[in-house]
Amino acid sequence: NAGVMQNPRHLVRRRGQEARLRCSPMKGHSHVYWYRQLPEEGLKFMVYLQKENIIDESGMPKERFSAEFPKEGPSILRIQQVVRGDSAAYFCASSPRDSMGHEKLFFGSGTQLSVL
Amino acid sequence: ILNVEQSPQSLHVQEGDSTNFTCSFPSSNFYALHWYRWETAKSPEALFVMTLNGDEKKKGRISATLNTKEGYSYLYIKGSQPEDSATYLCAFMSAAGGGNKLTFGTGTQLKVEL
Repeated sequence: NAGVMQNPRHLVRRRGQEARLRCSPMKGHSHVYWYRQLPEEGLKFMVYLQKENIIDESGMPKERFSAEFPKEGPSILRIQQVVRGDSAAYFCASSPRDSMGHEKLFFGSGTQLSVL
Repeated sequence: ILNVEQSPQSLHVQEGDSTNFTCSFPSSNFYALHWYRWETAKSPEALFVMTLNGDEKKKGRISATLNTKEGYSYLYIKGSQPEDSATYLCAFMSAAGGGNKLTFGTGTQLKVEL
């Protein structure tokens, strides 16, 4: 039973390019969360999605960042026109349903984004 | 902004020692408290989800307690082993604002030495 799969593990982009991070949740999970870990900081919530719906994007920067979780395929976190400050580890987690905090999250191994 | 504090930031113990860490969170609007274990180069892995004041959870040599009225949780490891070396994260969910947003602490990094 595959866990949460994130790819790529490492992504290098030059300033101004686009970064696309992918997350395939665990089989049977329909809820996806994205977290970001900046250097020397803890995991920060970015966005919570269900299939075809953004439920809570209160942690997303207002510009350049977007996320989707289509009916088919992985969830995508897109960062347009990346800047050096976007360099961070981006983690995806999934849960089987709307757990409302009472069920654990299953995390992927993360994507380390480096912006040159 | 919710404040979730963990202490100590790091800890070195000898094999066989018992140890404990603290997670402090807001004492109002409590909804849930999660503990995760995060080994280097791996994914964070859930240990416990705690929802009721006075909850005590146990998994092998690891246990946790919860006091929602004063806003803290303790994680205990009995007879530490080298494989317990990891960063231990707690995460708080507020009942205010809705959604499933977990606010994480910065973790306690544990190193168990032979």
